[in-house]
Amino acid sequence: ILNVEQSPQSLHVQEGDSTNFTCSFPSSNFYALHWYRWETAKSPEALFVMTLNGDEKKKGRISATLNTKEGYSYLYIKGSQPEDSATYLCASYNNNDMRFGAGTRLTVKP
Amino acid sequence: NAGVTQTPKFRILKIGQSMTLQCTQDMNHNYMYWYRQDPGMGLKLIYYSVGAGITDKGEVPNGYNVSRSTTEDFPLRLELAAPSQTSVYFCASSYGGRPSYEQYFGPGTRLTVT
Repeated sequence: ILNVEQSPQSLHVQEGDSTNFTCSFPSSNFYALHWYRWETAKSPEALFVMTLNGDEKKKGRISATLNTKEGYSYLYIKGSQPEDSATYLCASYNNNDMRFGAGTRLTVKP
Repeated sequence: NAGVTQTPKFRILKIGQSMTLQCTQDMNHNYMYWYRQDPGMGLKLIYYSVGAGITDKGEVPNGYNVSRSTTEDFPLRLELAAPSQTSVYFCASSYGGRPSYEQYFGPGTRLTVT
């Protein structure tokens, strides 16, 4: 069974704080890791698709790293803004099967 | 481009009723997917399609059926609705297969079965 775990489940930060959260996935038969941003009442939107160990991707103030040997990815948000408030989902593709984590719900207080 | 559209947005069904959730994409994507999302859980794949005429089961296919007669449309059918099918349903599409290509999601359909 492919288990994808995200931590923490929820996170509250102040505007301007930098923050990060974790996605853990099985390292065996790994192919790709996806990150999605999901605002309330909207659809999930893709942030990154990562495949290589040591990969780092960046989009504005958001960046992600990937460690396929130990099975984790970090998502970083620098200088959080209220508009960053959303649920961040990761999904791991292993052995022809893709599974989503339950997400980390981020709330940024002004 | 409208992207991925889903109808209806909300629906209440009685136990045993049937319904079809509609999904359409205008991006000429070959791959389409149906997910359900239950509180506190990740998205779970119900069915997917790699092109017109080709569908396959995902992680939780029981109680659902799909068809893919065109590239654009991928309807999901519930034949005998059960309370366990109360969920939010998302349709998604991607240019290529799941590993390497980001998925584009529709706005979701909130279904309640009572």
